[in-house]
Amino acid sequence: KAGVTQTPRYLIKTRGQQVTLSCSPISGHRSVSWYQQTPGQGLQFLFEYFSETQRNKGNFPGRFSGRQFSNSRSEMNVSTLELGDSALYLCASSLTGQGYEQYFGPGTRLTVT
Amino acid sequence: SQKIEQNSEALNIQEGKTATLTCNYTNYSPAYLQWYRQDPGRGPVFLLLIRENEKEKRKERLKVTFDTTLKQSLFHITASQPADSATYLCALIRGGYQKVTFGTGTKLQVIP
Repeated sequence: KAGVTQTPRYLIKTRGQQVTLSCSPISGHRSVSWYQQTPGQGLQFLFEYFSETQRNKGNFPGRFSGRQFSNSRSEMNVSTLELGDSALYLCASSLTGQGYEQYFGPGTRLTVT
Repeated sequence: SQKIEQNSEALNIQEGKTATLTCNYTNYSPAYLQWYRQDPGRGPVFLLLIRENEKEKRKERLKVTFDTTLKQSLFHITASQPADSATYLCALIRGGYQKVTFGTGTKLQVIP
């Protein structure tokens, strides 16, 4: 069974630009969650999608948004990038939700200059 | 405010000994607690899940305890090996919408 895949793996963007990250969950998994990981703040929850609906949201500004498609693939978008958005963005999939076993992808390393 | 603390940022232990990692929480009533392992440059890997009505869970050399009175979970690795060196994260999940909150992690170093 293929694992969670994330593209791209690395990105360098300039302040003010926007970025879209993609996540393909494990086949059959309907829940996809996104996290931001930084050395200072650790792993912080962004949002969770289940069957194309946002079910949970963390405490991030509206510049962070996401969506899920009918095949469970998900994208997250960050608009008007700030230096502080530099982080490892992780996607995790699960059969039913975060309360159960989550499978993480390798992450996208975003650097904002 | 809600807070999750993992005992220390780093823990060094001799090979063959039992490593014990702590996860303490305040102002929280989790329905589940999970432990993950994360290696540098990789996403976390799920290890164990324990429910609020369970006291202990085991998997091979791993053991997790969950004390809702003390608001604490202990994670043990017996007969530790250098390959166990990694950062270990605890994650608390509330019931209902099952929103998850991760601790900051403990970096375990097993010394040969």
